[in-house]
Amino acid sequence: DTGVSQDPRHKITKRGQNVTFRCDPISEHNRLYWYRQTLGQGPEFLTYFQNEAQLEKSRLLSDRFSAERPKGSFSTLEIQRTEQGDSAMYLCASSLDWSLAKNIQYFGAGTRLSVL
Amino acid sequence: DQQVKQNSPSLSVQEGRISILNCDYTNSMFDYFLWYKKYPAEGPTFLISISSIKDKNEDGRFTVFLNKSAKHLSLHIVPSQPGDSAVYFCAAAPGTYKYIFGTGTRLKVLA
Repeated sequence: DTGVSQDPRHKITKRGQNVTFRCDPISEHNRLYWYRQTLGQGPEFLTYFQNEAQLEKSRLLSDRFSAERPKGSFSTLEIQRTEQGDSAMYLCASSLDWSLAKNIQYFGAGTRLSVL
Repeated sequence: DQQVKQNSPSLSVQEGRISILNCDYTNSMFDYFLWYKKYPAEGPTFLISISSIKDKNEDGRFTVFLNKSAKHLSLHIVPSQPGDSAVYFCAAAPGTYKYIFGTGTRLKVLA
């Protein structure tokens, strides 16, 4: 399967702990996105990378959140000092560059975070 | 401030009939729209898109209509099949990177 993969699929943690999620995009895609989805809502944009450069961060991304894409391939999203409000589905997506005619974002299955 | 709205949280349709899912947006500058389908325990899957230079786009059983003056788009599924039962998200792509999603409509196609 050559789609977007995310690991882990589920994470349960205690309030105050740090967690890290990983996303492996489709191999030829140079853009990578993180979204967060809470119950009853659609996905909300968090941040995106063009190759290894992080080009945009939403104000939803507090300073407890950090994302990296060190070699322009996989990406990690870390949440420090987790809070119960961080409980959500974290979705990763990837795409080719927008300059192409059709630039569709392809999503992984997500990592569901539960903060107790 | 919800810029993309799906006002119907759920919809039930008989197999073989037409399903119509609606979406409204607030910003007239939005120029590209997409529909995604989501099954439980899976990520959203791209279904169909439309640029604001068109008012209709078809792909098999799926057709998206765009009414720019009303800031409204709709997804028609004809004929509906039980495998179409999923949550459908409308999204706007206002620029070159992020999507703005609606809250989704859960479609149930009854056999």
